[in-house]
Amino acid sequence: DAMVIQNPRYQVTQFGKPVTLSCSQTLNHNVMYWYQQKSSQAPKLLFHYYDKDFNNEADTPDNFQSRRPNTSFCFLDIRSPGLGDAAMYLCATSNQGNQPQHFGDGTRLSIL
Amino acid sequence: GDSVTQMEGPVTLSEEAFLTINCTYTATGYPSLFWYVQYPGEGLQLLLKATKADDKGSNKGFEATYRKETTSFHLEKGSVQVSDSAVYFCALKQNSGYSTLTFGKGTMLLVSP
Repeated sequence: DAMVIQNPRYQVTQFGKPVTLSCSQTLNHNVMYWYQQKSSQAPKLLFHYYDKDFNNEADTPDNFQSRRPNTSFCFLDIRSPGLGDAAMYLCATSNQGNQPQHFGDGTRLSIL
Repeated sequence: GDSVTQMEGPVTLSEEAFLTINCTYTATGYPSLFWYVQYPGEGLQLLLKATKADDKGSNKGFEATYRKETTSFHLEKGSVQVSDSAVYFCALKQNSGYSTLTFGKGTMLLVSP
């Protein structure tokens, strides 16, 4: 089935050690999103790509960066994770306009 | 800016009870409206959607009607099951090309046997 796949499902890293989360899609959607979700909260948009155009939310920390090498893949890089970055990270895709977003199952990031 | 307000949870029901989760929104124009469901440890799944006033979205026994006059999109189900226990998010998206989702805070539903 066409879908959004996130790897890994669980990631443990050390305080300050860079980490990369990956997302791939087989839906051929032109928009890809990264969200951070903390316990009992709604997902918070970090940034999104419209094709290759990168759109950063104003309050996304500089510690978070993203790459989209092609239509199918998108990466979230956390350069120096702090304890406050422990969360679920969700990738989503959509087409433009009023089309719904399709989410992956998320990567749960723990910081030691 | 756009915003979505949901009733606070948790909502606790017995199996086969009737469910309503209220959702109201503030937005310019005519956004599309969505309900997403999140089961423990998983991502969000699209439950249903409506793209214009008076549209009714439905899926898996859940329904919601886009009410422009009351700016509401309440989620209902006639008979809940234990397996419906999850967090439900109401969201809106403007119909322009570069819009993103605006989420409510989510409502946890707990259904007991």
